[in-house]
Amino acid sequence: GAVVSQHPSWVICKSGTSVKIECRSLDFQATTMFWYRQFPKQSLMLMATSNEGSKATYEQGVEKDKFLINHASLTLSTLTVTSAHPEDSSFYICSAGHGYSEQYFGPGTRLTVT
Amino acid sequence: AQSVTQLGSHVSVSEGALVLLRCNYSSSVPPYLFWYVQYPNQGLQLLLKYTSAATLVKGINGFEAEFKKSETSFHLTKPSAHMSDAAEYFCAVRSNFGNEKLTFGTGTRLTIIP
Repeated sequence: GAVVSQHPSWVICKSGTSVKIECRSLDFQATTMFWYRQFPKQSLMLMATSNEGSKATYEQGVEKDKFLINHASLTLSTLTVTSAHPEDSSFYICSAGHGYSEQYFGPGTRLTVT
Repeated sequence: AQSVTQLGSHVSVSEGALVLLRCNYSSSVPPYLFWYVQYPNQGLQLLLKYTSAATLVKGINGFEAEFKKSETSFHLTKPSAHMSDAAEYFCAVRSNFGNEKLTFGTGTRLTIIP
């Protein structure tokens, strides 16, 4: 089956710094990648949709200048949380898809901002 | 617009008993429906999906779900619960006309009583 990886699996950073999370499709080419945020004991909230080679489409209420998404290739998308604050602490999950296929989810990255 | 409602944020069943997790959807176009499972600190794993073929869908780990258009439901069942089934379960919907965005329900935490 299709495999999606995320790196790092967890990260702790200081308030005010930036952190980058990578999402890779290991055995298929993902034309579309999605970034979700999940707070403890809550559902997944879609943050943005990224298509290879084009700008990401952000959901309403998501700050595009704070959550920078780059989809530079068909196998890699990155989410950079800029000037992180404690309220950005969350579980970030990416998924990857190709055309009408199902989405394949990564294992998630837990971000803690101190 | 599409949405899913999962009735019951917590469900507890005894080991060996029937598992029934409820999901109702709302969609203005024919939907694709999904059930995902999430174990602690992990990403999502697809259990099964409905994509307008057979209304009774069989998935992994003995789970199945039936698409009932008249009831706008897609409930997840398993005849006999196993301790390893304890996890968070999410129902999700997306349009079958392009737009790959998934909309998730709020999730149901399944607890198995020994």
